[in-house]
Amino acid sequence: EDQVTQSPEALRLQEGESSSLNCSYTVSGLRGLFWYRQDPGKGPEFLFTLYSAGEEKEKERLKATLTKKESFLHITAPKPEDSATYLCAVQAASGGSYIPTFGRGTSLIVHP
Amino acid sequence: DAEITQSPRHKITETGRQVTLACHQTWNHNNMFWYRQDLGHGLRLIHYSYGVQDTNKGEVSDGYSVSRSNTEDLPLTLESAASSQTSVYFCASSGGDEQYFGPGTRLTVT
Repeated sequence: EDQVTQSPEALRLQEGESSSLNCSYTVSGLRGLFWYRQDPGKGPEFLFTLYSAGEEKEKERLKATLTKKESFLHITAPKPEDSATYLCAVQAASGGSYIPTFGRGTSLIVHP
Repeated sequence: DAEITQSPRHKITETGRQVTLACHQTWNHNNMFWYRQDLGHGLRLIHYSYGVQDTNKGEVSDGYSVSRSNTEDLPLTLESAASSQTSVYFCASSGGDEQYFGPGTRLTVT
């Protein structure tokens, strides 16, 4: 059974204080690992897809990296507008399925 | 711009009533999904469809049904609403890998 564990559950940062969110996963053959951002009262918004170990993707202050067991979402010099819940999901390569398994998310609050 | 919409955004209903939540996407995606999101559980898959006339059960499908008569719409029906179905419901569509989510419907069953 595919599993995704995100840590920490909640993270409070001061503006400008860089940090990383962790997503550990077990999957029978990784097709892709996804990061989403979810603002309160809204649906998740797609950020990145990573397909293979060593791959990195960047968008503004966010950088996602991938190893064979985990992914990190690095947030450099965060701003209050980066406050959101960040969700990680994995998709297995087997069976042609497009069903992702989601983690429970990390709630990030950035204080000015 | 392509989008995915849900209606209603908020719904209060009584136990035992039938409720239908609408989902409409203009991405022209074949794959559509329904999730519920509850504190402590994250996103859980209810039903999904890979195309017209195709529907499949997810991990929490009991008490829910879907039908897919065209590419754009995947309505979710609660046959007889129960208090345990109070939740926030998200519809998503996908053309392959990443999913695009709607704004959600907050359903309260009293």
